[in-house]
Amino acid sequence: QVQLVDSGGGVVQPGRSLRLSCAASGFSFSRYGMDWVRQAPGQGLEWVASISYNGGRKLYADSVRGRFTISRDNSKNTVYLQMNSLRAEDTAVYFCAKDAGYGDAGPFFDHWGQGTVVTVSS
Amino acid sequence: DIQMTQSPSSLSASVGDTVTITCRASQDIRYHLGWYQQKPGKAPERLIYGASSLQGAFPSRFSGSGSGTEFTLTISSLQPEDFATYFCQQHFSYPPTFGQGTKLEIK
Repeated sequence: QVQLVDSGGGVVQPGRSLRLSCAASGFSFSRYGMDWVRQAPGQGLEWVASISYNGGRKLYADSVRGRFTISRDNSKNTVYLQMNSLRAEDTAVYFCAKDAGYGDAGPFFDHWGQGTVVTVSS
Repeated sequence: DIQMTQSPSSLSASVGDTVTITCRASQDIRYHLGWYQQKPGKAPERLIYGASSLQGAFPSRFSGSGSGTEFTLTISSLQPEDFATYFCQQHFSYPPTFGQGTKLEIK
């Protein structure tokens, strides 16, 4: 069955960097777009970034553009989120999510990782 | 960006009740609206896609309807495992945007 395992979270000081990973299994990883979605403590869901099946298209939320970079390694079935210049407002649980691939203009997420906690604090 | 407004933000109901949650989009998104269920400490789970297509292992007491700018999620004959937080999300265009969530609690 489909499994997404998020890792790499932790406590980091403002201005520092962190790289999240999401290891995928149970489906043809190289055929699907992948995304990161975050949830601040006690808050709703916020889309962060998307990467197409082959890595050729990358999209970012305004709040992270220029600071975060999404990438993927289809040989390792893994998607990454490099987070630089972290701010207190980036504190959240970060989920990787698989695009269902229904062909709509926007993604719908049919599977999610368990989430990894990022805390930005001095 | 398309704004999604979900109501109510919280809802108290009893086992066996029927409840309805509403999601409004700031512009026409046709039928490109999905719903997720999230339980505390867990990732969201897909519930409904395309406004009305029930997903995964969810039972038929869950139903979705609507098109354009107004959508509803109805849960009939509430069961104890249904008490959770529900989010809508438009999949019409980028960036995908979510409603603020509805926390369904036991009365």
